[in-house]
Amino acid sequence: NAGVTQTPKFRVLKTGQSMTLLCAQDMNHEYMYWYRQDPGMGLRLIHYSVGEGTTAKGEVPDGYNVSRLKKQNFLLGLESAAPSQTSVYFCASSYLSFGTAKTHSNQPQHFGDGTRLSIL
Amino acid sequence: DAKTTQPTSMDCAEGRAANLPCNHSTISGNEYVYWYRQIHSQGPQYIIHGLKNNETNEMASLIITEDRKSSTLILPHATLRDTAVYYCIVVQTGANNLFFGTGTRLTVIP
Repeated sequence: NAGVTQTPKFRVLKTGQSMTLLCAQDMNHEYMYWYRQDPGMGLRLIHYSVGEGTTAKGEVPDGYNVSRLKKQNFLLGLESAAPSQTSVYFCASSYLSFGTAKTHSNQPQHFGDGTRLSIL
Repeated sequence: DAKTTQPTSMDCAEGRAANLPCNHSTISGNEYVYWYRQIHSQGPQYIIHGLKNNETNEMASLIITEDRKSSTLILPHATLRDTAVYYCIVVQTGANNLFFGTGTRLTVIP
């Protein structure tokens, strides 16, 4: 059982380049999330999805796009990378949103191990 | 979502109980208290959550005060592997976002 898998684990980009980060989960979760974490700070939500074919903006969505074409995959795209987007990106998934049926919320969000992205 | 206040850092001797406090004085009635931890370079790991009652699982216990304005996460017998940053997060029912603060850096000392 792999849980949440993020690809790639590390990447260095030049300013202006584009790339896509892939998140895959094998737990049949409805909800998926993309966060970024900057040094010494907590995680901030970029975008999330409440089901296949849906996406929504989080706290810091600018400069990013997402797609959820398949239930198990959630893609995060950077169309024109900027140095301010240097960060560690975490993907997460969950059965339901928070505070709902406790039987489904033993582990509300499962996180991947992150993608370390540097933009020069 | 209500904001939380946690100490920046704490130390705990190996084998002793680690008690991590969290203040959430503006919490509202439909907001849950969640605890996560993040071990260096890894993704956050869910620990426990609660609404009103105290909770216990295989990892920890959560004590919530009667007025719900503060809570304490208890790791009963801390080990070196419990060294991590611990986040106390207050989440509204049905919400999708986890507002992580800066958390408490717990160092377990041999």
